[in-house]
Amino acid sequence: NAGVTQTPKFQVLKTGQSMTLQCAQDMNHEYMYWYRQDPGMGLRLIHYSVGAGITDQGEVPNGYNVSRLKKQNFLLGLESAAPSQTSVYFCASTPGHSSVSYEQYFGPGTRLTVT
Amino acid sequence: GQNIDQPTEMTATEGAIVQINCTYQTSGFNGLFWYQQHAGEAPTFLSYNVLDGLEEKGRFSSFLSRSKGYSYLLLKELQMKDSASYLCAVKGLTGGGNKLTFGTGTQLKVEL
Repeated sequence: NAGVTQTPKFQVLKTGQSMTLQCAQDMNHEYMYWYRQDPGMGLRLIHYSVGAGITDQGEVPNGYNVSRLKKQNFLLGLESAAPSQTSVYFCASTPGHSSVSYEQYFGPGTRLTVT
Repeated sequence: GQNIDQPTEMTATEGAIVQINCTYQTSGFNGLFWYQQHAGEAPTFLSYNVLDGLEEKGRFSSFLSRSKGYSYLLLKELQMKDSASYLCAVKGLTGGGNKLTFGTGTQLKVEL
C-alpha cells in the first residue's frame, strides 16, 4: 500500500493564481482531512470529509474549497492565492466512525509558496 | 474551544530520559494523541490515551490525567534519531469527523 499520497510536492504560485492540491489514499478510509502547518502555529484543520460527497469546514477554511467525488481522493483548491497561504499542506485520513478513535495517517506534504 | 500547551523546545543527552508535557483545556475530551514529526516530513503516530494512566510502547510511554488536563510523553534511552518535533493532539466531543486539535509541538534536540 502507498498509504496517503500528495501531489505536487512543491509549488510556487503568483498572487491571484489558482491551483488544486491532490490527495489520494489506498486504505479505504472514510474520513479525510486537509491541514496547513506554519512555524509556531502547529497543524490547523482547513476542511475535512466524512465520506464521498460530504465535506465540512475546519478551523481555517477561508480562501480554500474542497472536493471529494470519490472515497479515495480529496482535493484542496485555492481560488485566488495570497501570500498568507504560503505554508506546508498535509492531507490525512483515518478509518472513520466518530465513536472510535483511530490515529490519522498523514501524506508527505505539499510545500506551497505564494509570491 | 480547545487550548493545548506544550514547551517549545527541549534539549537532552543521548541515552538519557526526557519527559515532554502537554496540558489542555477543552469543552469536551475524547482522547489524546502523540505524534512525532522529523524536519521536512509528515507526522507519524506514536501513542493514544483515552483513560487515565500510563501506556507503554517500547522506549516510548504516554501518561494521561483527565482530571488535571495533563499528559506527558516519556522517551527512554534517547537516540540521536529521536531529535524531532513531538505533537500533542486532543480529540474533542463536539462535532463529528474524529477531528483533532494540535498543539504547536515541542522541538526535541538530542545531543551527544
